Amino acid sequence: DTAVSQTPKYLVTQMGNDKSIKCEQNLGHDTMYWYKQDSKKFLKIMFSYNNKELIINETVPNRFSPKSPDKAHLNLHINSLELGDSAVYFCASSQSGFYSNQPQHFGDGTRLSIL
Amino acid sequence: ELKVEQNPLFLSMQEGKNYTIYCNYSTTSDRLYWYRQDPGKSLESLFVLLSNGAVKQEGRLMASLDTKARLSTLHITAAVHDLSATYFCAISKGSSNTGKLIFGQGTTLQVKP
Repeated sequence: DTAVSQTPKYLVTQMGNDKSIKCEQNLGHDTMYWYKQDSKKFLKIMFSYNNKELIINETVPNRFSPKSPDKAHLNLHINSLELGDSAVYFCASSQSGFYSNQPQHFGDGTRLSIL
Repeated sequence: ELKVEQNPLFLSMQEGKNYTIYCNYSTTSDRLYWYRQDPGKSLESLFVLLSNGAVKQEGRLMASLDTKARLSTLHITAAVHDLSATYFCAISKGSSNTGKLIFGQGTTLQVKP
């Protein structure tokens, strides 16, 4: 009964390939996020969707394209992978609302290694 | 520029000792979070602090928030080995709990027996 689940957990691939990471949450939340954690553990927001609408799009190369088919799913497709894309990618979710004081819930991460 | 800075970045301490991790942030925020991350694992929410003067405690950890000073602290009392992990503070920027989290660099805590 994992709350936020990501697949795959590990992804090892060659430079130049295209890959996708999937995320699903069963918490009934309406907002989902992608974060990138680099080798120094620094975490940075990439994208956010609220009810399938893109609401946050940070300065991310356009090789990265998120898609949210419904509010429980947020996928991340990466084209033409580069060495610098090696990182851990975390999916998270939260429930919107001015009075909502719940934290964002994170998945287990996808460890992407580019050879 | 939005900045969240933690101090110290690395902390090695003996079991049984007390210590405080500091989190400074550069802009107003209506929410401050503390998360714990074990090596190779996800981020686990520890505390959500919503207002000036908020104090929350869970076991040996206590978090506080001073919005005027833009400072949060995470105090560890009588540390035990199980508390060894990386601790992140983060502020939320955005409305209605849909905002992005701006994270600090993380503080890696190592508790030695």
